[in-house]
Amino acid sequence: TQLLEQSPQFLSIQEGENLTVYCNSSSVFSSLQWYRQEPGEGPVLLVTVVTGGEVKKLKRLTFQFGDARKDSSLHITAAQPGDTGLYLCADLSSNTGKLIFGQGTTLQVKP
Amino acid sequence: GAVVSQHPSRVICKSGTSVKIECRSLDFQATTMFWYRQFPKQSLMLMATSNEGSKATYEQGVEKDKFLINHASLTLSTLTVTSAHPEDSSFYICSARRGWGSYNEQFFGPGTRLTVL
Repeated sequence: TQLLEQSPQFLSIQEGENLTVYCNSSSVFSSLQWYRQEPGEGPVLLVTVVTGGEVKKLKRLTFQFGDARKDSSLHITAAQPGDTGLYLCADLSSNTGKLIFGQGTTLQVKP
Repeated sequence: GAVVSQHPSRVICKSGTSVKIECRSLDFQATTMFWYRQFPKQSLMLMATSNEGSKATYEQGVEKDKFLINHASLTLSTLTVTSAHPEDSSFYICSARRGWGSYNEQFFGPGTRLTVL
């Protein structure tokens, strides 16, 4: 059974600071996705990465996929209170469509 | 983007009653729908995979007689929590898959908060 570990589990920072969260898998990802979830809502897809070594940017968010396709990082530059939420990495199976989620990183950005 | 709705958004019920939650893909036909459960401050845990016209596939440890899934059409799946108990209180989220293979996308509903008294 694949295990996805995210670190840190909780992060509380001041507005304007930079941060990085990590996602490590016990096996190679089929397709890695990052989601953000706000309290009381469903997760919203941020990015999908497939190729080892891939880097994608979404405004102040930078996503990196490890060369071996077993790890990933999400870096946020100049965090804002609107970035507050639960960040989840997930492995998407192209065959079954199943998503296996990591435990999540809860981010709080204080104004 | 594609829209997935859930109804109701919140439900409070007495112990022993059954509760039905609907998941609809509003502007696309979903090849597959999924049901997740999320406890406070935890991640999403996949409960079952639902395909239109066939029996749902449940993940290990999920009681199929407890959580009944019906997938009547390509745009509607329902989850019924039977004889609910306080430990079933949770946030239930569905997702709908559009497309196949490497080009599939999954869209999440807004979730249903179930509280069993």
